[in-house]
Formats: sequence, C-alpha cells, structure tokens
Amino acid sequence: AQTVTQSQPEMSVQEAETVTLSCTYDTSESDYYLFWYKQPPSRQMILVIRQEAYKQQNATENRFSVNFQKAAKSFSLKISDSQLGDAAMYFCAYRSAGSNTDKLIFGTGTRLQVFP
Amino acid sequence: KAGVTQTPRYLIKTRGQQVTLSCSPISGHRSVSWYQQTPGQGLQFLFEYFSETQRNKGNFPGRFSGRQFSNSRSEMNVSTLELGDSALYLCASSLFASGANEQFFGPGTRLTVL
Repeated sequence: AQTVTQSQPEMSVQEAETVTLSCTYDTSESDYYLFWYKQPPSRQMILVIRQEAYKQQNATENRFSVNFQKAAKSFSLKISDSQLGDAAMYFCAYRSAGSNTDKLIFGTGTRLQVFP
Repeated sequence: KAGVTQTPRYLIKTRGQQVTLSCSPISGHRSVSWYQQTPGQGLQFLFEYFSETQRNKGNFPGRFSGRQFSNSRSEMNVSTLELGDSALYLCASSLFASGANEQFFGPGTRLTVL
C-alpha cells in the first residue's frame, strides 16, 4: 500500500522569504502522480501544483515549485516570495496512474504560518 | 462555471441517527470522490463514483454508503451515527478518473455527532 509522510506539522516564514515543505512517499509503483494541495482556513481545498512521476523536470507554477526526487521518493514544495495569503494547511498527495482512479492518498499536512 | 457544491454545510446529529450528504459536481464532471477529514486521522478516502458506478471504496465500515445519479450528483449516507463520525466530509469532482486531471474540491459538510 502507498503511504505519504509529511514530517513537519508546522512551519513559519516571513513575508517575501522562501520556505520549503517536505514530503516523502512510499510506493512500489513506477507510474503515479504527486500533488500539493492548499487548504486555507475557509476549508476549500485547492490544487497548488502537480507532478507526473515519468517527468524528470520539476513542476513550477509561478512562485511554487517542487523538488521531485524519484529514487529518494521525495517531493518537496518550495514557496518563493511568500505572501500572507499563502498561510494555510498544505497537503501532499499521491495518486496511482496504473488504473482509472481519482483516489488520493494524503499526508497529514503542514500548517504554514506567514508573518509580516 | 459553478464550483463543486455540498449541502448542507453544517449538520448536527445525535448518536444512532442517520445522515445524508449531497455533492453536486462541476457541470460536465463525471467522477466524484468523497473524503473524511478529522484532526486525528487526517484525510481519508471514502469512495469514488464514475458514471453511477462505484469504482473504489476506502476502508470504512458498511455504515458508510454512497451513490451517484445520472446527472453525476452524488450522495453519501452514514447510518447509526457514532461520535467518531464527527468530521468534515469533502467531495471532489473531475472530468474523468484518469491521468493527471485536476480534482476540484467542494467546501465540505461539517458533521457533528452528539
């Protein structure tokens, strides 16, 4: 069975600084997808960034980028130029690519605080 | 385009009762998944539906059930409620259950069992 681990329950960063959230996962599958989701206090979960395992290039979405290390089964999220609106719970998630499923396996989340 | 909607947003029930939660996916989306979110267990997959068929089910007791209608709207039902069922129930929809297609989450239904 696949598992996702986020070892940082809480992180904090000052506005305009850079912060990295860690995520490791365990799987025996070779093809899969990895995601970072953001859940602000309003509770609506939104997708931040996604990575296809077969792609070696790290995904980037504006100020958000990932460091995907397939061999190490590591998938960290880097937030550059942090903004107050980035404060939220961040969840790392895994999805198999081998079968038609939307099932996501989530980590326990990291609460990010952003200080002015 | 309207997002994923969930009704009701808040619900208070007592032990032993049953409850039905509703999820309306984004127009055109055929895949609906349900998750339970609690402080202790985090986000756990309940089940997913595609074109009215349950494709996948998480490790939850039979008290948890669901269905999907021909218009892709989905309901989940919890019977004989227990205190531990208190949680935020999230619904997510996507065009189809494959690939790296994006899932869109609803705001959730906060269920409190007294």
